[in-house]
Formats: sequence, structure tokens, C-alpha cells
Amino acid sequence: AQTVTQSQPEMSVQEAETVTLSCTYDTSESDYYLFWYKQPPSRQMILVIRQEAYKQQNATENRFSVNFQKAAKSFSLKISDSQLGDAAMYFCAYRSAVSGGSNYKLTFGKGTLLTVNP
Amino acid sequence: EAQVTQNPRYLITVTGKKLTVTCSQNMNHEYMSWYRQDPGLGLRQIYYSMNVEVTDKGDVPEGYKVSRKEKRNFPLILESPSPNQTSLYFCASSLRATSSYEQYFGPGTRLTVT
Repeated sequence: AQTVTQSQPEMSVQEAETVTLSCTYDTSESDYYLFWYKQPPSRQMILVIRQEAYKQQNATENRFSVNFQKAAKSFSLKISDSQLGDAAMYFCAYRSAVSGGSNYKLTFGKGTLLTVNP
Repeated sequence: EAQVTQNPRYLITVTGKKLTVTCSQNMNHEYMSWYRQDPGLGLRQIYYSMNVEVTDKGDVPEGYKVSRKEKRNFPLILESPSPNQTSLYFCASSLRATSSYEQYFGPGTRLTVT
């Protein structure tokens, strides 16, 4: 079974600075998808960024980018020019690309609570 | 507006009193699933459905039931709730039952069982 580990329960960053959230995962599969979700105080789960394992290029969405190291099974999220609205719980998640009902679930890490200081 | 809705958003109940949390999506999605979120554990899948009348257990199905009689609805049923089912519940859906499609989450249901 796949596992996702987020080793930083909490992180803080100054407004306008850059912060990196860590995520490692364990899998024997070669093809899969990785995600970062943001959960603000409203509790809504918001997809921040997605990475396909077969793509070598790191995904980028505006101020959010990832550092995907497939061999190291590492998938970190970098937030540039941090804003107060970025304060939230961030979850790293894995999804298998293997066909089959039980494989379509998202396997989540425990989350990293990000605080943005003004 | 394309969305996943859940009702109720908040529920406080007592041990043993049957309850249903509804989930509905208006995007004609085939795949739907339920997750529970607990502090320090992240989200874990309870049940999923590949399409109408096709459901299966996820990682933590004990104490829960589901049904999928219509494509748009996927209710979560707790026949005899217990305090260890106090949690935040999310319904999610995606267009097709394949991994390449994004899962859309509902707003969550905070359940407290006393």
C-alpha cells in the first residue's frame, strides 16, 4: 500500500517570503499522480497543484510550484510571495494510475499547518 | 454552478441514533467517494462508487453503509453511530472512474456523536 508522509506538522512564513512544504511518499508503482490540496479555515478542500509522475517537468500554478524528485519519492510545494490568504492546512496526496476501483482513491498525508505572519 | 453539496453541514447526535449524510453532484460524475478527516490522520476513504449500483469498501468502512441508486446522489449511512465516528466527512466526485480525472470535494460535514 502507498503511504504519504508530511514531516512538518506546522510551518510559518513571513508575508511576501517563500516557504517550502515537504512531502515524501512510498510506492512500488511507476505511474501515478501527486497533488497538493489546501484546506483553509472554511474546511473546503481546494486543489492547488497536480503532477503526473510520467512528466519530468515540475508543475507550476502562479505562485505555487513543486519540486518533484521521482527517484527520491519526494514532492515538495514551494509558495512564493506568500500572502495572508495562503494560511491553511496543506495536504499532500497520492493517486495510483493503475486501473481498478480501489486504486482511484486519494491517499493523504497528515497535513502541514501553514501560518503566514504579517 | 458545478458543485458537490453535502447535508447537513453540522450534526450533533447521540450514540445509536441512525443518521444519513447526503451527497449530491450536478456534474454527471461517474465516480463518487466518501472520506473522513481526523486530526493527525489526514483524510481516509470510507466507501466509493464507480457508477450507479456499483459500490465498494475503502480503507475504513466499518460502521458505515452507502448506496448509489441515482448517478447524482451518494448518501452515507450510519446505522448505529458511535463516538469514534465523530469526524469531519467529505464527499468527492470525478467525471470518470479513472485516476486522470480531478476529484471535486464537497464542503464537509462536521459530525459529533455523544
